[in-house]
Amino acid sequence: SQTIHQWPATLVQPVGSPLSLECTVEGTSNPNLYWYRQAAGRGLQLLFYSVGIGQISSEVPQNLSASRPQDRQFILSSKKLLLSDSGFYLCAWKGSRQGTAFFGQGTRLTVV
Amino acid sequence: AQKVTQAQTEISVVEKEDVTLDCVYETRDTTYYLFWYKQPPSGELVFLIRRNSFDEQNEISGRYSWNFQKSTSSFNFTITASQVVDSAVYFCALDTGTASKLTFGTGTRLQVML
Repeated sequence: SQTIHQWPATLVQPVGSPLSLECTVEGTSNPNLYWYRQAAGRGLQLLFYSVGIGQISSEVPQNLSASRPQDRQFILSSKKLLLSDSGFYLCAWKGSRQGTAFFGQGTRLTVV
Repeated sequence: AQKVTQAQTEISVVEKEDVTLDCVYETRDTTYYLFWYKQPPSGELVFLIRRNSFDEQNEISGRYSWNFQKSTSSFNFTITASQVVDSAVYFCALDTGTASKLTFGTGTRLQVML
């Protein structure tokens, strides 16, 4: 069966520090991968999605970036974190464009 | 453009009451998919149900039921005999398949009290 792993679960980082969040999927090949962010008490905002290795689409301009170095690996990065980057980050995968999205357990990021 | 509206920000009920969470969607696509997800306090988004636009049959799963009506662009979710474990934030979402992404509503926080 397919599983999705996301880490770390929680992270406290100072303003201006770099960020790297990792997400991997097991049990499937060529998944569509997504990064969402949920600000405190709010809905989910799509940040990036990828339909294949090296293919990244950005939904919201910001100081974050994403990469997909391997088929089932999706990384969210920042060179310099801002206070406004605090939030709950969720990785998700779909088996196809019409598939159902399944989510990882999330990373709670606090920028101080 | 796609849009999902969950007008109820927060609902509080007493255990064993029935509760309905509303979801209204907008899309110009004729083929689309609707979802409900549950977000417990732990934060993980748990998939509950998926409905295809060409299938308006309502569905029941235990205490959960879903009412899909294309005529009113609604996909409502009812919990019968609510329990404390149902306390969570519930999200309705829309996927048209073309942009390969989900559009979420802002969520409804359900609190079930003893």
